[in-house]
Amino acid sequence: SAVISQKPSRDICQRGTSLTIQCQVDSQVTMMFWYRQQPGQSLTLIATANQGSEATYESGFVIDKFPISRPNLTFSTLTVSNMSPEDSSIYLCSVGAETQYFGPGTRLLVL
Amino acid sequence: SQQGEEDPQALSIQEGENATMNCSYKTSINNLQWYRQNSGRGLVHLILIRSNEREKHSGRLRVTLDTSKKSSSLLITASRAADTASYFCATDDSSYKLIFGSGTRLLVRP
Repeated sequence: SAVISQKPSRDICQRGTSLTIQCQVDSQVTMMFWYRQQPGQSLTLIATANQGSEATYESGFVIDKFPISRPNLTFSTLTVSNMSPEDSSIYLCSVGAETQYFGPGTRLLVL
Repeated sequence: SQQGEEDPQALSIQEGENATMNCSYKTSINNLQWYRQNSGRGLVHLILIRSNEREKHSGRLRVTLDTSKKSSSLLITASRAADTASYFCATDDSSYKLIFGSGTRLLVRP
């Protein structure tokens, strides 16, 4: 299985600001996904980030709010823009196809 | 949106007992996977069962899948305190996008 790291592991941010979360994989992967887990809830897919193409967003998520970059096969970033307290969540990246492996998550608190 | 529900929402058992969690889903699937999450950290992949499989084992884990009922169960035998975690089922179609269930919080008392 791939080894996945995320930065930062946690952050506290002020409303109206933006935070960029990094996801680094120790091997080249084609498919990479970003998920959100709101407090006490399950995980919801935000978008699919494939190298060489625009990210594909799920219903309820838009590029202006969650811009994603995928510059190569080992790295991706998710930006949470113009944050509000409702954005307080754990954000996780995952890689793989049939079996997906998850990063440790970024715990975000917006005040 | 969530694919389905898991029950129970919370389960408390004594160490050494078996724990059974159930997952129901709504649409046709390619695979169903179970994950464990400790204290809001990253997810650990436990087991994958394909839509044409009915049962799978991995160590102390046993997973069943009934596609006619759109349901799956995860059995953890001889539970340990270290099994305390939240457990999620996740389904995917051929696009590999995972849709998660609501999760079961398992507490194993020493």
